[in-house]
Amino acid sequence: EDKVVQSPLSLVVHEGDTVTLNCSYEVTNFRSLLWYKQEKKAPTFLFMLTSSGIEKKSGRLSSILDKKELFSILNITATQTGDSAIYLCAGSSGSEKLVFGKGTKLTVNP
Amino acid sequence: DAGITQSPRYKITETGRQVTLMCHQTWSHSYMFWYRQDLGHGLRLIYYSAAADITDKGEVPDGYVVSRSKTENFPLTLESATRSQTSVYFCASRRGSNYEQYFGPGTRLTVT
Repeated sequence: EDKVVQSPLSLVVHEGDTVTLNCSYEVTNFRSLLWYKQEKKAPTFLFMLTSSGIEKKSGRLSSILDKKELFSILNITATQTGDSAIYLCAGSSGSEKLVFGKGTKLTVNP
Repeated sequence: DAGITQSPRYKITETGRQVTLMCHQTWSHSYMFWYRQDLGHGLRLIYYSAAADITDKGEVPDGYVVSRSKTENFPLTLESATRSQTSVYFCASRRGSNYEQYFGPGTRLTVT
């Protein structure tokens, strides 16, 4: 059975800290790994990673995929209170489905 | 550019009633998905559709029915609602294989 495991489940930091969120996966016919940010509403797309070792960046957020070790990390530098959210990781399989992890709840305190 | 919309946004219904949640997208995306999100379980796939008239089960399809007669619409019906179906339901769409999914705003359903 496909599964995606995120850690930690919850994280509290101060503004300005750097955080690393982890995602490990076991997905049949793996195609890509996706990261989403969910505030109080719908998940919004952050990154899609298909190739191992190639970092994707968007502002203070970056992510990388290791297809050999079956994991991905999401880094957020110089965190701000607006980064407080649930971060979801999902693995895409050859069956067209996304398998989501349970998410990491990040709280950034001023 | 409306993107992907869901209606209603909030719904309270009674056990045993039939309920239909609507999903509409304006992008002409071929793929559409229904998820439910519950505390402790994260997002779980209910049904998905690769194109009009093509649907397939996800992880938790029991008690739900879908149809897709038009590319832009993907309604989800709870044939006889149960309390365990109280949840937040998200619709999503995707342009094609190996593209990101975009989510609708969600429908919060309460079954009493």
